[in-house]
Amino acid sequence: GAVVSQHPSWVICKSGTSVKIECRSLDFQATTMFWYRQFPKQSLMLMATSNEGSKATYEQGVEKDKFLINHASLTLSTLTVTSAHPEDSSFYICSARKAGGYGYTFGSGTRLTVV
Amino acid sequence: KNEVEQSPQNLTAQEGEFITINCSYSVGISALHWLQQHPGGGIVSLFMLSSGKKKHGRLIATINIQEKHSSLHITASHPRDSAVYICAVRSQGNLIFGKGTKLSVKP
Repeated sequence: GAVVSQHPSWVICKSGTSVKIECRSLDFQATTMFWYRQFPKQSLMLMATSNEGSKATYEQGVEKDKFLINHASLTLSTLTVTSAHPEDSSFYICSARKAGGYGYTFGSGTRLTVV
Repeated sequence: KNEVEQSPQNLTAQEGEFITINCSYSVGISALHWLQQHPGGGIVSLFMLSSGKKKHGRLIATINIQEKHSSLHITASHPRDSAVYICAVRSQGNLIFGKGTKLSVKP
């Protein structure tokens, strides 16, 4: 079955530093990848949609200069949280979709804590 | 009002009980997903539905498009079923998530 690997699973960083999260589709080509954020006891919220080889589309209220998304290949997308602040502490999770597909395969998520 | 509402928010059951989790939505959809989120946060896609009913092992998902309602049933529940179950609808190309139902199954 389709598998998406997400790393790291958890990270603690200092305020002002940048953190990169990787999302990799292991056995299929993901033309579209999605990045979500989930605060405690809240729904998953879509941050951005990225299509391979093109710029990501960000949801309203998500700063594109703070959350850098790169989808340079059909199997890898990265989310970089730049100049992290404590309020960026959250659970970040990616999902990937094949070309023409309706199903979503989720990564295992990354818990980010900014201190 | 949220576009996707789930009930109940929390559910505690004894092992072996039949479980039902409900999802109502208010937008037009092309598909509805049931997801399972484990305590560590990882998410597994259980079902994708656009009509009718699907069954996988002890899990059954149904959808009524006219009533904009879906249910997830778990038969013969087991402690390993303890997780958060999330309903998500695909609308205009995006997934909209419910807040989830936290299920605890006691032995």
